[in-house]
Amino acid sequence: AQSVSQHNHHVILSEAASLELGCNYSYGGTVNLFWYVQYPGQHLQLLLKYFSGDPLVKGIKGFEAEFIKSKFSFNLRKPSVQWSDTAEYFCAVNAPDNAGNMLTFGGGTRLMVKP
Amino acid sequence: DAGVIQSPRHEVTEMGQEVTLRCKPISGHDYLFWYRQTMMRGLELLIYFNNNVPIDDSGMPEDRFSAKMPNASFSNLKIQPSEPRDSAVYFCASSTTGAAGELFFGEGSRLTVL
Repeated sequence: AQSVSQHNHHVILSEAASLELGCNYSYGGTVNLFWYVQYPGQHLQLLLKYFSGDPLVKGIKGFEAEFIKSKFSFNLRKPSVQWSDTAEYFCAVNAPDNAGNMLTFGGGTRLMVKP
Repeated sequence: DAGVIQSPRHEVTEMGQEVTLRCKPISGHDYLFWYRQTMMRGLELLIYFNNNVPIDDSGMPEDRFSAKMPNASFSNLKIQPSEPRDSAVYFCASSTTGAAGELFFGEGSRLTVL
């Protein structure tokens, strides 16, 4: 079965700092990759997704992620964070050949952006 | 579309009581998932359905938990009897076969068992 690990549990940044959140997965076959964001007190919302094609994926609110197949990684980046980016970020993987539509989530990274 | 609708949004109950959480998926979606979120364990998949049929319930913690999907537009998750360690936010999510794993989440039901 596939698994997802997020290296940082808590990240604290000042506004305008650059962000990179790590995500690694373990599965050797075809994968679809996702980043979800959960703002305080809210539900999970899709930030961006990778199915195929260009490994650099751009999402909403200036976020992007790069799929590096050789490293089994899908790190999330943003060049300049804002206070409103304070949230919890979840990386998730879907292995369509193995688990249909099921998503496996990482443990999440809580980001706090200081104004 | 109204999105995934969950009820109740908040529930406070006493240990031993039965709890029923409800979910209405997005119309036309054929997958429905129940997740539980806690500080200690993060986001856990409890069970998921495809075309109203339970596919994987290995995440259901114990026999006190049960979930049904009697039709394509409704699912419920029951806990009987409830215990304080069941306190969590329970999310329902739905998806469609063509979406390759992209889930649409409801607002969640925050359960507190005293």
